[in-house]
Amino acid sequence: DIQLTQSPSFLSASIGDRVTITCRASQGINSYLAWYQQKPGKAPKVLIYTASTLQSGVPSRFSGSGSGTEFTLTITSLQPEDFATYYCQQLNSVPITFGQGTRLEIK
Amino acid sequence: EVQLVESGGGLVQPGGSLRLSCAASGFTFSDYYMDWVRQTPGKGLEWVARVRNKGNGYTTAYAASVKGRFTISRDDPKNSLYLQMSSLKTEDTAVYFCARDGGSYRHDYWGQGTLVTVSS
Repeated sequence: DIQLTQSPSFLSASIGDRVTITCRASQGINSYLAWYQQKPGKAPKVLIYTASTLQSGVPSRFSGSGSGTEFTLTITSLQPEDFATYYCQQLNSVPITFGQGTRLEIK
Repeated sequence: EVQLVESGGGLVQPGGSLRLSCAASGFTFSDYYMDWVRQTPGKGLEWVARVRNKGNGYTTAYAASVKGRFTISRDDPKNSLYLQMSSLKTEDTAVYFCARDGGSYRHDYWGQGTLVTVSS
């Protein structure tokens, strides 16, 4: 199985900050990585797919990059609604796997 | 508007069985792969099972943690996805989401989730 390791697990930041979350895969997954945002009591929402493609309707302050085994999600100019938990997911092969999550909180 | 609505969750004793359903609308259900993903309380996300579309032989795949105990299936004329769960364990307690694989390697739509609690 492909393991995904996110870092950091917890991030404290302020409105207007730029933050970066990293996801490392235990083996190459091409660019078949997606990023999700999840708020308490809600289903995950896809932000980025195929590593760098912005999902329709997602603000352009979200961006993704990477290929192979190392990927990043960057949020520029944090907004109040961005404070949530973020997960990476690989769909290169089954079993599909997720990172353990990064909880982004307001400083 | 695409909608996925899960049902069938509840309280069940260890060793028991439960069948989850996911009603799909707003898209051509038969075209898509469908998955079940679960989330244990306060924890992360775990993919559970996949059923591919007719063009791919309705083949299935399972997480090791549920293989042999859970069965995923679909009824395309009814636009419905199912998860038959048996020999349930306390560690199967979770919110279960159905999710559409929207192509391009992403789950683009999710249901609201249904809670399964396995406890005596």
